[in-house]
Amino acid sequence: QQPVQSPQAVILREGEDAVINCSSSKALYSVHWYRQKHGEAPVFLMILLKGGEQKGHDKISASFNEKKQQSSLYLTASQLSYSGTYFCGTEISWQAGTALIFGKGTTLSVSS
Amino acid sequence: DAGVTQSPTHLIKTRGQQVTLRCSPKSGHDTVSWYQQALGQGPQFIFQYYEEEERQRGNFPDRFSGHQFPNYSSELNVNALLLGDSALYLCASSRQYQETQYFGPGTRLLVL
Repeated sequence: QQPVQSPQAVILREGEDAVINCSSSKALYSVHWYRQKHGEAPVFLMILLKGGEQKGHDKISASFNEKKQQSSLYLTASQLSYSGTYFCGTEISWQAGTALIFGKGTTLSVSS
Repeated sequence: DAGVTQSPTHLIKTRGQQVTLRCSPKSGHDTVSWYQQALGQGPQFIFQYYEEEERQRGNFPDRFSGHQFPNYSSELNVNALLLGDSALYLCASSRQYQETQYFGPGTRLLVL
């Protein structure tokens, strides 16, 4: 089941804040966040783990709400470099490994 | 420390042809996953290789096959190409049992 991201797109001026949400219809154990700039590979930002432990990026924060089966990515005091498409991914796991199921993405445009 | 590399960067094929894409994982990584990213969509999991075996497959037909070599590099083969196979093909590497996947720059395939 593909996670659902909202909003689809956000337009900001430098210094403004944004929140991107990622919801799942199934129980979440972790949420992975990536940012992809046009024509480039997705770049890992952070993982949110069940229990609230957060790993990853130093200038972008996130939360994990197990009850709501939702994660939110917080971008504060946005910079031009924040522009890109943000994807959340939820894990599918089997005995020997895991892979990611990604949402459709949220496009963030930051202008000066 | 070299990241994930993929070749070629771009490829144009015609319907019915076959294509092979290549991926070298990040140093120290032993697991390779392949994803297909259609325009405007999030990456979709194709399959994962570990110890030279396909460990898990997403919802893709048998026309999509792969291989992993002893040096952990991997190939993705697509037979009988369809117009709908046009996409960015991403390779991601990780260490077995570790959550974070690192993506390569991708191969953009256009099927005419």
